[in-house]
Amino acid sequence: QKEVEQNSGPLSVPEGAIASLNCTYSDRGSQSFFWYRQYSGKSPELIMFIYSNGDKEDGRFTAQLNKASQYVSLLIRDSQPSDSATYLCAVSHGSSNTGKLIFGQGTTLQVKP
Amino acid sequence: GAVVSQHPSWVICKSGTSVKIECRSLDFQATTMFWYRQFPKQSLMLMATSNEGSKATYEQGVEKDKFLINHASLTLSTLTVTSAHPEDSSFYICSALPLAGGDGYTFGSGTRLTVV
Repeated sequence: QKEVEQNSGPLSVPEGAIASLNCTYSDRGSQSFFWYRQYSGKSPELIMFIYSNGDKEDGRFTAQLNKASQYVSLLIRDSQPSDSATYLCAVSHGSSNTGKLIFGQGTTLQVKP
Repeated sequence: GAVVSQHPSWVICKSGTSVKIECRSLDFQATTMFWYRQFPKQSLMLMATSNEGSKATYEQGVEKDKFLINHASLTLSTLTVTSAHPEDSSFYICSALPLAGGDGYTFGSGTRLTVV
């Protein structure tokens, strides 16, 4: 079992729709969870991080964490074609500033105009 | 925000030669830097954790004698791919943790290595 799992996709949504990206992790000791966006040929850029159960909203993005189910998700509202990219879920075993990041394989999102 | 500069952006080298990649934190100090490798259509795989002033910690399966890591200062870590072979061709990315704390890990822009 992989430590961090994501559906590779592609996930295709129409412009303006909500895109829902999911991630599960295996280590119950994981404390910090990150969502990165990666365009082809570029390095990842941080979208959001979440540490506590529940929802965290930032603009069009909402991260949801459920530690009991070992599940973290990212919702993108009002999806735009510029959101088309690979979304990487990453998990840190330690506190936010000490642990190495383990990445999922990424989900490719396609937002169609 | 925190900026990590990585150089070169791309490099082509001949098989058997060595290549050095630099990762600098420009506006913060970082005791820990991480080196990742990403093959086409795959995710980032952690290669090693670089700690300032001490030996790097390598992930299982990564040859420490082939991928030399030096973290001599709080703002600079280098990865040297020694005796490169075509199978080492990949996208290498560093990331840094600010000494002062904060959230998230800042990534460098990556280095595309092609060994011919």
